[in-house]
This record gives sequence, C-alpha cells and structure tokens, in this order.
Amino acid sequence: KQEVTQIPAALSVPEGENLVLNCSFTDSAIYNLQWFRQDPGKGLTSLLLIQSSQREQTSGRLNASLDKSSGRSTLYIAASQPGDSATYLCAVRRSGATNKLIFGTGTLLAVQP
Amino acid sequence: DAGITQSPRHKVTETGTPVTLRCHQTENHRYMYWYRQDPGHGLRLIHYSYGVKDTDKGEVSDGYSVSRSKTEDFLLTLESATSSQTSVYFCAISDGQGSDSPLHFGNGTRLTVT
Repeated sequence: KQEVTQIPAALSVPEGENLVLNCSFTDSAIYNLQWFRQDPGKGLTSLLLIQSSQREQTSGRLNASLDKSSGRSTLYIAASQPGDSATYLCAVRRSGATNKLIFGTGTLLAVQP
Repeated sequence: DAGITQSPRHKVTETGTPVTLRCHQTENHRYMYWYRQDPGHGLRLIHYSYGVKDTDKGEVSDGYSVSRSKTEDFLLTLESATSSQTSVYFCAISDGQGSDSPLHFGNGTRLTVT
C-alpha cells in the first residue's frame, strides 16, 4: 500500500531564506507526483506536476525534483516571502490507476517578515 | 479555482439526516472527484466520476453515494449523516488521465454533523 510522508510537519523561516520541503513515498511505481499549496479555509492550488519520466519541474521561484528509485521528492522555494506561508502537500498517482491521488499530510510553512 | 464551485460552503446538520453536497464546474472536464480532508489523514478519495452516469468508489466510500447526470455537476450524498462524517469535503476535476493531467480543486465544504 502506497504511503506518503512529509517531514517536517511545520517549518518557520525568516523572509528571504531558501528552503526545501520533503516528500517520501513507499512504492516507487508512480505515474506522477504533484505538489499543491493550501491556504487556510481554501482549496488546493496545483503548483507543479512531475511525470514519472521526469527528474524536475520549475515554475518561477519553485523547483520540484523527483527521485523514484529512492522514493523522494523535494520542493525548493527560493527567496521565500511572507506570501509563501501556507500548507504544502504532495500527492502521488499510482501507475496504471485512474487519476486517484495518495496525499501526504502536508508541511505548514510560515515565512516571518 | 479552475471554474469549480462547491455548495454549500458550510453546513451543520444532525446525525441521521440526509445531506447533499454539490460540485459545479465550468471547464467541461470529463473527470470529477470527491475527497475528504481530516487532521492526521490528509485527503482521501471518496468517489470519482469518469463521465456522465459513470462513477466508481474510492478508498473511503462507505456511507456515501454520488450522482452525475450532467458533465458540469457532481453530487455527493450522505444518506444518513454520522459524526464521523464531520469533515471538509473537496471536489476536484481533471481533463484527462494522462501523466501530465493535474487535478484542480474547489474551495471545499465544511460539514459538521452534531
């Protein structure tokens, strides 16, 4: 059974710092991995999607990497800003399954001004 | 929000009463999903739809039913609400099943069963 873990559960950093969020999964047979952002009382916003054949994806200050063999993905945020404060969730889709995602429980990020 | 509207946004109901949550999309996406989000469990799939009148169960489907009579609407029904169904419910959509097809989520419905 696929399990997705995100450590740490919470992180506080000063503004301007570069940071890395971690996501690990137990079954390397994934189709893709998606990173989301969730603001309080809101839904999830898709940030980046990495297909199983890819190693990384970039969007602005965000860079996500994927290492299937070790069951790990990282989300790198450059030059963090207070507006980046949110919960970040990763989710994996199993190979061959319909688009059903297995989610981690998230990392709550606070960027201090 | 990818053109997804969930209604109601908040609801309080009593144990044993029926409840229907609605998801409406304006993207004409084929696939629609219902998830619930609970502390310590993350998001878990309840049911999903791969077309009009085509639905299937997710990992936590007991006590829930769904219907999709139109492309744009996906309804989630709790036939007899229980306190364990207190949760935040999210609808999601996707336009395909390819490895490059992301899910897009609505803003959620917070349901409290007393």
